[in-house]
Amino acid sequence: DQQVKQNSPSLSVQEGRISILNCDYTNSMFDYFLWYKKYPAEGPTFLISISSIKDKNEDGRFTVFLNKSAKHLSLHIVPSQPGDSAVYFCAAKNPYGGSQGNLIFGKGTKLSVKP
Amino acid sequence: KAGVTQTPRYLIKTRGQQVTLSCSPISGHRSVSWYQQTPGQGLQFLFEYFSETQRNKGNFPGRFSGRQFSNSRSEMNVSTLELGDSALYLCASSSVGGVTEAFFGQGTRLTVV
Repeated sequence: DQQVKQNSPSLSVQEGRISILNCDYTNSMFDYFLWYKKYPAEGPTFLISISSIKDKNEDGRFTVFLNKSAKHLSLHIVPSQPGDSAVYFCAAKNPYGGSQGNLIFGKGTKLSVKP
Repeated sequence: KAGVTQTPRYLIKTRGQQVTLSCSPISGHRSVSWYQQTPGQGLQFLFEYFSETQRNKGNFPGRFSGRQFSNSRSEMNVSTLELGDSALYLCASSSVGGVTEAFFGQGTRLTVV
């Protein structure tokens, strides 16, 4: 059963507008979340993270919001640029390790930013 | 500081063969994790090595194995290749396993024909 879910496989946004990527998780024990960006034929690169003691973390055009009661986080990109077009993965730090490893990833959302 | 290096970048193998992929982590990083990425399946965890010991293992068949050397470099091996093993194999290193972010290599694209 998937513990980290990204229910939108793709998202298309106009350049200059806001992109909102969503992620849900099922385990209330998760306390640290990360977003990665991945271009084709490259490995994922770390974008931004948030600890469960915060509800918001901002880094330039990227802001992550965490709603612990809803077990939901979102990544906002403002303003969106064509270079932001990539697959975005949400990940949760897994305190248990085991068969899912230290980071549990969602299946990703492909963002396309149109000029 | 050099990043995570994976070799080779691309590989074509025939069904039934075996393959070995290599990963050199960031200097000073002792934890290396391997992931398989296939379209629509996200990143599937294979295993994690820390100080030459396998610490976590994903739900993959025994054909998938790995090891880590004293210099933290890691290899993964897939024996008796199947068509379904075609994927991008990613290696990630972190300074202490399970804490903060992991840094990924560019991956090895394996195609099984």
